[in-house]
Amino acid sequence: AQKVTQAQTEISVVEKEDVTLDCVYETRDTTYYLFWYKQPPSGELVFLIRRNSFDEQNEISGRYSWNFQKSTSSFNFTITASQVVDSAVYFCALRPEGDKIIFGKGTRLHILP
Amino acid sequence: KAGVTQTPRYLIKTRGQQVTLSCSPISGHRSVSWYQQTPGQGLQFLFEYFSETQRNKGNFPGRFSGRQFSNSRSEMNVSTLELGDSALYLCASSSLTLNTGELFFGEGSRLTVL
Repeated sequence: AQKVTQAQTEISVVEKEDVTLDCVYETRDTTYYLFWYKQPPSGELVFLIRRNSFDEQNEISGRYSWNFQKSTSSFNFTITASQVVDSAVYFCALRPEGDKIIFGKGTRLHILP
Repeated sequence: KAGVTQTPRYLIKTRGQQVTLSCSPISGHRSVSWYQQTPGQGLQFLFEYFSETQRNKGNFPGRFSGRQFSNSRSEMNVSTLELGDSALYLCASSSLTLNTGELFFGEGSRLTVL
């Protein structure tokens, strides 16, 4: 079965704290793609990152970093020195090659000033 | 360049009616996909089109249908509306097939069924 689990439904942190959003996926496919999307209050999902199953390199983009570990089927997302503008719902997604994309239920992140 | 445009943004229908939602992708994008977002079920894939051909379909009843035109614009239709169809319907476009391409989303069409 293909599945994405975001166990944290809602997280609140104070501004400038670091926060990690967890994502665990299940798939039997050897070729697949993982994504993170951000949905701010306006509602429009914004692409953050894509990783394919053969690229386990971690990635850093400014205050954002991603840790992909095939051994634990996890693709976690860390925001360093969080800011109020980071408040949003964050979705992790899995796309097995040739198949439909599957989203996790999302994690609602509140950054408190 | 202009983003993904969805119309209408808001609409209210009653049970049994049908609705058509429209999506104009980013210029040059040939792949369009549709999603239903509800508080209970989250974000669920409806269907995907590439060059007017349906490439993938989610687990939705036949009341949900879609199509893509030669200019890549897409429409989705829901017939015999039910209360549970109330949701935010999102459209996304991509320059590649969805296997590798990042998705660019529109702001969505919020459907309320009374």
